[in-house]
Amino acid sequence: NAGVTQTPKFRILKIGQSMTLQCAQDMNHNYMYWYRQDPGMGLKLIYYSVGAGITDKGEVPNGYNVSRSTTEDFPLRLELAAPSQTSVYFCASSPGGGGVTGELFFGEGSRLTVL
Amino acid sequence: QKEVEQDPGPLSVPEGAIVSLNCTYSNSAFQYFMWYRQYSRKGPELLMYTYSSGNKEDGRFTAQVDKSSKYISLFIRDSQPSDSATYLCAMARGSYIPTFGRGTSLIVHP
Repeated sequence: NAGVTQTPKFRILKIGQSMTLQCAQDMNHNYMYWYRQDPGMGLKLIYYSVGAGITDKGEVPNGYNVSRSTTEDFPLRLELAAPSQTSVYFCASSPGGGGVTGELFFGEGSRLTVL
Repeated sequence: QKEVEQDPGPLSVPEGAIVSLNCTYSNSAFQYFMWYRQYSRKGPELLMYTYSSGNKEDGRFTAQVDKSSKYISLFIRDSQPSDSATYLCAMARGSYIPTFGRGTSLIVHP
């Protein structure tokens, strides 16, 4: 049972390059999320999706894009990478939103450095 | 004022100590309160989950919610070096996405 799988685990980008962080879950969860985590700053929500074809912005969406064509996959696209996007990115999924069904299952993270 | 406040630490304690980790919040509509544990270079995982006020115990861990004071706590008894991790509190209202605290780094030294 893989849970939430993120690729790549590490990546170095040059300023202005673009890339896609991949996320897949095999738990048939409706909700999926992308967070970024900077040292000592907790988790900041970038984008989330409540089902295939539905996405919405979180707290820090600028510089990112997402799509959700299937229940399983939720890729995060970085356009024109900037040093401020250096961070650890976590993908997560949950059966539903909020309380009772809102337990988030996280991937192991993707460490991105923009130089 | 941030919705959820959590001291980032680090908090360093000797093995066997009782640890108290805390969060305060400003949104009285929060109903669900969670603690996630995150080991170094790993994703967070749910440790404790509480609905509304009161206490919940699971082995060496106790989660406490005081809605009147807008204050939640996680107590760890007989702390072990394997408890060294970052602990993030999270809160949600209804079906809304949880709001996370900054996380507190805990170091339990032998």
